[in-house]
Amino acid sequence: AQKVTQAQTEISVVEKEDVTLDCVYETRDTTYYLFWYKQPPSGELVFLIRRNSFDEQNEISGRYSWNFQKSTSSFNFTITASQVVDSAVYFCALSEPGANSKLTFGKGITLSVRP
Amino acid sequence: EAGVAQSPRYKIIEKRQSVAFWCNPISGHATLYWYQQILGQGPKLLIQFQNNGVVDDSQLPKDRFSAERLKGVDSTLKIQPAKLEDSAVYLCASSLRSGGGSSYEQYFGPGTRLTVT
Repeated sequence: AQKVTQAQTEISVVEKEDVTLDCVYETRDTTYYLFWYKQPPSGELVFLIRRNSFDEQNEISGRYSWNFQKSTSSFNFTITASQVVDSAVYFCALSEPGANSKLTFGKGITLSVRP
Repeated sequence: EAGVAQSPRYKIIEKRQSVAFWCNPISGHATLYWYQQILGQGPKLLIQFQNNGVVDDSQLPKDRFSAERLKGVDSTLKIQPAKLEDSAVYLCASSLRSGGGSSYEQYFGPGTRLTVT
């Protein structure tokens, strides 16, 4: 069975600090996909990134970066120079390829960025 | 491009009443999902449609929940009768398709917040 663990529940930082959100996953599949979603107070889940299990290259997008390490089954997300607008709940999710590509979500991490 | 639309945004009902939620996916998206998100938890899949066929409804409480996707576009999710534990946000999502050896990103609507009293 698939499982996603986000051990951190709440993180509070001051603006301009860097922050890393941890994600550990479990799956028996050799092919799988990992995602990060952001859920601001408005409630809508916003897609941030998709990574397949064969691509371990780290990715950077502006202030966001992702570190995928298959050896430790982790897919961590770092926000550099955090801003108040980054305050949200962040979910890591896992899916298999195929007709049933449902997402298995972690419990989410509430990030608060204080001015 | 318009996003996933859902209505209503909020609903308050008493237990044992019925309620229905509506979802209009992104145009051209073949796959539609309904998730239930209980406060403090991640979303949990209730049902997945590929066009107008059900792909996965293994976690749908079929004694009280039902869903349909007529003509492979809009979808409705119904609860009858509602219980207190059904209080949650119901999220609809769509993706280009599913299958074909890949997993496509899902785009979510704003959700419907249901409170059962």
